[in-house]
Amino acid sequence: DQQVKQNSPSLSVQEGRISILNCDYTNSMFDYFLWYKKYPAEGPTFLISISSIKDKNEDGRFTVFLNKSAKHLSLHIVPSQPGDSAVYFCAASPKLTFGTGTRLQVTL
Amino acid sequence: NAGVMQNPRHLVRRRGQEARLRCSPMKGHSHVYWYRQLPEEGLKFMVYLQKENIIDESGMPKERFSAEFPKEGPSILRIQQVVRGDSAAYFCASSPRTKDSRGTGELFFGEGSRLTVL
Repeated sequence: DQQVKQNSPSLSVQEGRISILNCDYTNSMFDYFLWYKKYPAEGPTFLISISSIKDKNEDGRFTVFLNKSAKHLSLHIVPSQPGDSAVYFCAASPKLTFGTGTRLQVTL
Repeated sequence: NAGVMQNPRHLVRRRGQEARLRCSPMKGHSHVYWYRQLPEEGLKFMVYLQKENIIDESGMPKERFSAEFPKEGPSILRIQQVVRGDSAAYFCASSPRTKDSRGTGELFFGEGSRLTVL
């Protein structure tokens, strides 16, 4: 039972453009949402989070949007840079349930 | 300021052998979490431990898997009588706070241990 879903396994975006990564969840008890970034052969690193009482959180080039009624959140990266190429995991708490990840490739 | 240290990074075992994965949390962190990533899947929570206590093992398979976090030394994830389906990347994470810290994202992950079962 996948409670956190990332339906796009991969995404390719040109450098300088916006990257939008999507995540859907099914459990209405989730009250905190996080994005982690993972490079090959490394552990995930925390990127940005949002509480369920908010609908937007911004940190530099990264913005997370939360639509509670749709049980949907998205991560926007603008402008995208080649160093952003990684796998991005959406996660939800409690219990930090992870999605399957979206591989972002930022091309020159 | 060492991060979460996991070893071995790579481990190869034959079916029926035992696998032991070790995790040293960040300095000052007393909470350890183990996650497993199967090929083409996300990270799945296995177990959450504090020193000498298992707090939540709801993600651990009922048989063959065990975890400990002794008063001294690293946390150990032990898999007995490994099978091919145990092949995965096992990630350890630590945090300085209580269980609620999982809700704040303050988990620091190690680089993972990749288990291959032949």
